[in-house]
Amino acid sequence: NAGVTQTPKFQVLKTGQSMTLQCAQDMNHNSMYWYRQDPGMGLRLIYYSASEGTTDKGEVPNGYNVSRLNKREFSLRLESAAPSQTSVYFCASSESLYGYTFGSGTRLTVV
Amino acid sequence: RKEVEQDPGPFNVPEGATVAFNCTYSNSASQSFFWYRQDCRKEPKLLMSVYSSGNEDGRFTAQLNRASQYISLLIRDSKLSDSATYLCVVNELNDYKLSFGAGTTVTVRA
Repeated sequence: NAGVTQTPKFQVLKTGQSMTLQCAQDMNHNSMYWYRQDPGMGLRLIYYSASEGTTDKGEVPNGYNVSRLNKREFSLRLESAAPSQTSVYFCASSESLYGYTFGSGTRLTVV
Repeated sequence: RKEVEQDPGPFNVPEGATVAFNCTYSNSASQSFFWYRQDCRKEPKLLMSVYSSGNEDGRFTAQLNRASQYISLLIRDSKLSDSATYLCVVNELNDYKLSFGAGTTVTVRA
């Protein structure tokens, strides 16, 4: 009954370091998403993948890259972390509008 | 202008009270509407969809006003467990990317 699993749950990076956030879902969903959540801003879409083999930019893609490794996995990479990327990152998957399931989030701090 | 705007609150209410709040959306092409609930430091979870005719789910009632482009959520007989942030969510026809409001915080006190 895992749903959407994100790793790591917490991370502290120094400015300029890189890292990859991992996301995996076991619900056989076609679509996957990466959002960031900042105080007072709501969730903002970074990238999404409508289906295996496709990825598209969302509202705030700058500084990020993604890989849809297979139907289950969708990773988010920060090549050179900046303090402005301090945020809570949520991965989600869906088969339809009504089936949005979120992972438990990654709390990232860039110092 | 943000696509989805909400009063951040907080709305502090006693147990048993009724609390209601709105959300406005800017895109008249929006077709689907939802309320999500987010507990502190947790992920958002779907609370209910919002239908044109309005709908209830237990103590929760959602309404949609397309002419004025707002949706509302009313919570009757508030419980301590209703304390959370409620996210207003909309999307356009044939687009399964969701747009989230920043949330309205509700705190129910004993």
